[in-house]
Amino acid sequence: EAGVAQSPRYKIIEKRQSVAFWCNPISGHATLYWYQQILGQGPKLLIQFQNNGVVDDSQLPKDRFSAERLKGVDSTLKIQPAKLEDSAVYLCASSLGDWANSDQPQHFGDGTRLSIL
Amino acid sequence: GIQVEQSPPDLILQEGANSTLRCNFSDSVNNLQWFHQNPWGQLINLFYIPSGTKQNGRLSATTVATERYSLLYISSSQTTDSGVYFCAVVRYSTLTFGKGTMLLVSP
Repeated sequence: EAGVAQSPRYKIIEKRQSVAFWCNPISGHATLYWYQQILGQGPKLLIQFQNNGVVDDSQLPKDRFSAERLKGVDSTLKIQPAKLEDSAVYLCASSLGDWANSDQPQHFGDGTRLSIL
Repeated sequence: GIQVEQSPPDLILQEGANSTLRCNFSDSVNNLQWFHQNPWGQLINLFYIPSGTKQNGRLSATTVATERYSLLYISSSQTTDSGVYFCAVVRYSTLTFGKGTMLLVSP
């Protein structure tokens, strides 16, 4: 089966600019996650979707970050405006069910490496 | 929020050696998983193990939920085991990763 697809792989922007990331989960996976991984740290969950509804966005900086999953398939994550501390790898993952309450494994994409100048 | 501490932070092994990685968490959890992030950044699930013991080839894991820790055992390590090992826990609906253990296995 095809894995989780993310684009772009790399992005370099200046602070205060906007950027968007795209994720295509594995076909049939209801749950989609966006993580931020800063160098040297573990991933931090930004937002979790179940189909096209938000399950958890408690750690999403809503003043500058937004995410949507229209039609419950693809998802986009946007940052506007970007700050220097947003430099990180942004990982998308998907799973059949909600792994928090089951043993459904998460499948991760290769991530988007964002550098803010 | 819940605290997740992993130890050791770094580990260097010779190929063929065994190792034990530890994950301590500060409160009861609904779920615990171990992940491996390879040197190219790809994250792979290893174990879903909120309690008990599981084995998969050279890897095994044990979680003692009442004492709030989990252990990941790697036997007969290989260079392909290199990377960062993360423990992640879920308490209610909040998911928290530890900072990871960076493992380097040299030939």
